[in-house]
Amino acid sequence: GAVVSQHPSRVICKSGTSVKIECRSLDFQATTMFWYRQFPKQSLMLMATSNEGSKATYEQGVEKDKFLINHASLTLSTLTVTSAHPEDSSFYICSARNRMGRNTEAFFGQGTRLTVV
Amino acid sequence: AQSVTQPDIHITVSEGASLELRCNYSYGATPYLFWYVQSPGQGLQLLLKYFSGDTLVQGIKGFEAEFKRSQSSFNLRKPSVHWSDAAEYFCAVVPYSSASKIIFGSGTRLSIRP
Repeated sequence: GAVVSQHPSRVICKSGTSVKIECRSLDFQATTMFWYRQFPKQSLMLMATSNEGSKATYEQGVEKDKFLINHASLTLSTLTVTSAHPEDSSFYICSARNRMGRNTEAFFGQGTRLTVV
Repeated sequence: AQSVTQPDIHITVSEGASLELRCNYSYGATPYLFWYVQSPGQGLQLLLKYFSGDTLVQGIKGFEAEFKRSQSSFNLRKPSVHWSDAAEYFCAVVPYSSASKIIFGSGTRLSIRP
C-alpha cells in the first residue's frame, strides 16, 4: 500500500510555543489529507480536512486559529499547533487519499505524540 | 443521530480461540465500511473494507468481516487469534452523504490470554 510519513513522531514543547507537524505522501499525490486527534484510550476525532491549494475545512469545535493547516503541495500537509498549552497534549494522526470519492482508501501516518509542558 | 458504535470497550480472548468484534452503524444509506488496527503509539493499518458486492469480506492477517444490512452491522472475525493480534481495533465508515470523511467508532481493545 501507499506510504504516508508523519514527522516528528514525538515532540515535547513548552507552553506558549508553536509546534509544526508534517504529513507527507511518499509515493502518491494526495489531493486530500485529514488530521485527527486521539486522546488516550479514545477514538480518533476528525479535526479538519485539507485539500491541496485551498483552505482547510474544520470540524465543529476545532479552533482554526489554533490549529493551522497548510496543504501547499500534493505531497505535503502541515498542522501547526499555535501557542500550545498542556490541554493540547495528544496524539495527532494524519491520513491521505490519492483521489476524491468515498471508495478510495485512506492511508495513515504513524502519528505524532505531542506533550506540552 | 448518525454514528458508528463499537459496544465492546475491551475484550480478552485466549490465544487460539476465535474472535468476533462488533460494529453497528446508524446511517440512512449503507456507508462504506472499514476495520483498522492500531498498535500502541502507532498509526492505523487497514484490515479490510466493504464497498459493495459480496457481504463477506476477507482481509489481511486472517481477518474477515460480514456486512449484514438488516442488522446494520459489520462485525470483524478471526477463527484463531495469535498473541500478536493484541491491539486496538477501530470500525470506521464513510457516510453516503460524505465525500470523503472517515468517521471512527470508539474502538475495542483486544487482549490475548496466553
